[in-house]
Amino acid sequence: QVQLQQPGAELVKPGASVKLSCKASGYTFTRYWMYWVKLRPGQGFEWIGEINPSNGGTNYNEKFKRKVTLTVDKSSTTAYMQLSSPTSEDSAVYYCTVGVRRCFAYWGQGTLVTVSA
Amino acid sequence: DISLTQSPVILSVSPGERVSFSCRASQSIGTNIHWFQQRTNGSPRLLIKYASESISGIPSRFSGSGSGTDFTLSINSVESEDIADYYCQQSNSWPTFGSGTKLEI
Repeated sequence: QVQLQQPGAELVKPGASVKLSCKASGYTFTRYWMYWVKLRPGQGFEWIGEINPSNGGTNYNEKFKRKVTLTVDKSSTTAYMQLSSPTSEDSAVYYCTVGVRRCFAYWGQGTLVTVSA
Repeated sequence: DISLTQSPVILSVSPGERVSFSCRASQSIGTNIHWFQQRTNGSPRLLIKYASESISGIPSRFSGSGSGTDFTLSINSVESEDIADYYCQQSNSWPTFGSGTKLEI
């Protein structure tokens, strides 16, 4: 079955970048786009961007273009999201999700990122 | 961006009742709407895709309808395990989400 494994939590100092991981299994990794979604209490869900694991092609929400970099490692079937210069506004739960044509069929457990000195 | 407005914010029902959730899009999106359930401390779970298409493994009491700008998710006979937040999401353009409806029993 499709599984997306994410670390439960990351504690990050303001200004120090962090790289979140999403280990995929149970399907052909390069066949489906990987999406990233942010959930912040009171702010709702926000689509961050998407990556095609087959060729590394990406699309980003304009809001996150200068904040986030999406990459994949095909050899380990892992997707990554690097969050640069985090502030308190970046404290949130970050989900990876996989699907077709931006219909998010399977979700990871989410990584709670806390930005704090 | 296409905005999605969900109503009501909170729904209180009794077990066995039928309940409906509303999602309205700021412009026509065909049937490019999907519904998710998120239980407390859980990940979102896809319930219905493309407005009315069922998902394998999802109980048949969940159904969806609508097209254009107005969409509805229905639960035929609510059970206690259905306590959760329910969200709609559009894929007609860059994805956006509704703000959710909380189901209380």
